[in-house]
Amino acid sequence: ETGVTQSPTHLIKTRGQQVTLRCSSQSGHNTVSWYQQALGQGPQFIFQYYREEENGRGNFPPRFSGLQFPNYSSELNVNALELDDSALYLCASSPGGAGDQETQYFGPGTRLLVL
Amino acid sequence: SQELEQSPQSLIVQEGKNLTINCTSSKTLYGLYWYKQKYGEGLIFLMMLQKGGEEKSHEKITAKLDEKKQQSSLHITASQPSHAGIYLCGADAAGANNLFFGTGTRLTVIP
Repeated sequence: ETGVTQSPTHLIKTRGQQVTLRCSSQSGHNTVSWYQQALGQGPQFIFQYYREEENGRGNFPPRFSGLQFPNYSSELNVNALELDDSALYLCASSPGGAGDQETQYFGPGTRLLVL
Repeated sequence: SQELEQSPQSLIVQEGKNLTINCTSSKTLYGLYWYKQKYGEGLIFLMMLQKGGEEKSHEKITAKLDEKKQQSSLHITASQPSHAGIYLCGADAAGANNLFFGTGTRLTVIP
């Protein structure tokens, strides 16, 4: 148990729709990162939030956006879903500030299927 | 850009056997993490290595980071079915607290 939870566990959407995925970090963790893991691949970094501000972004288009809230929860929003967005979406939280090398603790993931 | 290559891609061993998984980086590693993942689930943190030559152990799993900090190995002694899963090495992107990962090694342990 990492103390990081995600909802929903599974989701099916159709192409063009929008989706919101949710994550609840460990209490006291100020940094949350989101990753996309396609089948058979390692996770790929989408973006990171620190104290409610975006703090780094991977190679993902603007239709991937996020929010972080003061209560250690966060959201990943994806607009205009494409078939290739089908993947396991993972959030990870870590205790401290931007730039620190800290262990990230992962949630169980949300599996998204886009038809 | 920096990449992580894991070998082997998959491994099938008999219960009780030892095994080693390797992770090689194209550039110097600032922090190297080992995670385990059961199919379709989240990542479970195993160990983090930062210093060249560092070695850490937890139960029957030992991880090492070589002196040049470009290669790490994960060794499991006397494997058990509970060790089965996908092992991922991840590394800190330089100057940032986000990780990039290898493609993973799928371990199957036959009872």
